[in-house]
Amino acid sequence: EADIYQTPRYLVIGTGKKITLECSQTMGHDKMYWYQQDPGMELHLIHYSYGVNSTEKGDLSSESTVSRIRTEHFPLTLESARPSHTSQYLCASSPTGLEGNTIYFGEGSWLTVV
Amino acid sequence: KNQVEQSPQSLIILEGKNCTLQCNYTVSPFSNLRWYKQDTGRGPVSLTIMTFSENTKSNGRYTATLDADTKQSSLHITASQLSDSASYICVVSDRGSTLGRLYFGRGTQLTVWP
Repeated sequence: EADIYQTPRYLVIGTGKKITLECSQTMGHDKMYWYQQDPGMELHLIHYSYGVNSTEKGDLSSESTVSRIRTEHFPLTLESARPSHTSQYLCASSPTGLEGNTIYFGEGSWLTVV
Repeated sequence: KNQVEQSPQSLIILEGKNCTLQCNYTVSPFSNLRWYKQDTGRGPVSLTIMTFSENTKSNGRYTATLDADTKQSSLHITASQLSDSASYICVVSDRGSTLGRLYFGRGTQLTVWP
């Protein structure tokens, strides 16, 4: 079992609300990622981080923002949620030296914006 | 364009039977290929990872093969169980960046009936 945790697992919020999805890992991994996945579709990278104070946008444009103040913590924030943000958000981490190493995923956060 | 295509899109088999899932990719330069199992509403869990020099790897009843020349991989499941019902995702990593960018297939949805 991977030691990477996401909260909340399920959330329904109203349009315009601010929401932060939490992600924590206890494996000491430097690299962390946020993916977005719609039902039946592939995962899309929206943010990644190589380490503390390092954040980059991924392949899929997202209105969300992230921060990496501590190695173990990589929260994702939506300042003003919209129905188009309804999706599953998966947090992941991997040790330094990605090649040949496994990426560990959290259980996911299902966000519904009404 | 780097892509990962999986087939079939969905598959139903009877408990105890074997099945084979396919993954074709165009990702270049190739680094490694992973198979993940994703239960409904959960995060993906790694089954196998193979680098260029490996052409087969097993994990219990799961056996993955890789043909780097034809850019094809397969995941063979032996003596299927009800708990094998899940989406199986093929993920290919390239060498083209320090991130080791990941390309995800859409998955094969496997249903095992009693």
